[in-house]
Amino acid sequence: SQKIEQNSEALNIQEGKTATLTCNYTNYSPAYLQWYRQDPGRGPVFLLLIRENEKEKRKERLKVTFDTTLKQSLFHITASQPADSATYLCALVSGGYNKLIFGAGTRLAVHP
Amino acid sequence: DAGVIQSPRHEVTEMGQEVTLRCKPISGHDYLFWYRQTMMRGLELLIYFNNNVPIDDSGMPEDRFSAKMPNASFSTLKIQPSEPRDSAVYFCASSSGEGTEAFFGQGTRLTVV
Repeated sequence: SQKIEQNSEALNIQEGKTATLTCNYTNYSPAYLQWYRQDPGRGPVFLLLIRENEKEKRKERLKVTFDTTLKQSLFHITASQPADSATYLCALVSGGYNKLIFGAGTRLAVHP
Repeated sequence: DAGVIQSPRHEVTEMGQEVTLRCKPISGHDYLFWYRQTMMRGLELLIYFNNNVPIDDSGMPEDRFSAKMPNASFSTLKIQPSEPRDSAVYFCASSSGEGTEAFFGQGTRLTVV
């Protein structure tokens, strides 16, 4: 069956450290992979997109990698801040018609 | 643009009643998505449209759920009759093309008692 798996346990890190979140998928061949941030009571907000032929993408303190052999994406936040505390969701664009499927998300807590 | 607009923000209804959720996508966006979010199941794709045409409704849980997009600026998700297990936050999102970022509305929190 098709699955998108993100660590269901919250990730707790110290301010200033690098947070690394994982997204694994099974039985998908995504053309695109996206990462979103969601704060309580709000809708998800887009952060980064990476294509299947790209290995890595960066935006300010954010970095995403995409390994189609391992079927995995890693999302890094460097020099983390308490304001980075939120739930982070990965999403795949699957199929030829832009079907956007989300993982369940991982909650990140950055402590001062 | 004001972004994706959903209404109502909150809805409390009794079991058996009809519920209609509304969404206005961002002007010019070709894709519209309806999602349901719960703690247990995360963010589930219910149905999505391209140029007002339903493309995939395989996520619609039962025949009690239906969605329409009569024009490019309006979509509805209807639940009839509603049941307590339908209680969730329902999000609408739109995007401008394949693989592009999706913009989400604020969501409708539905409670069926």
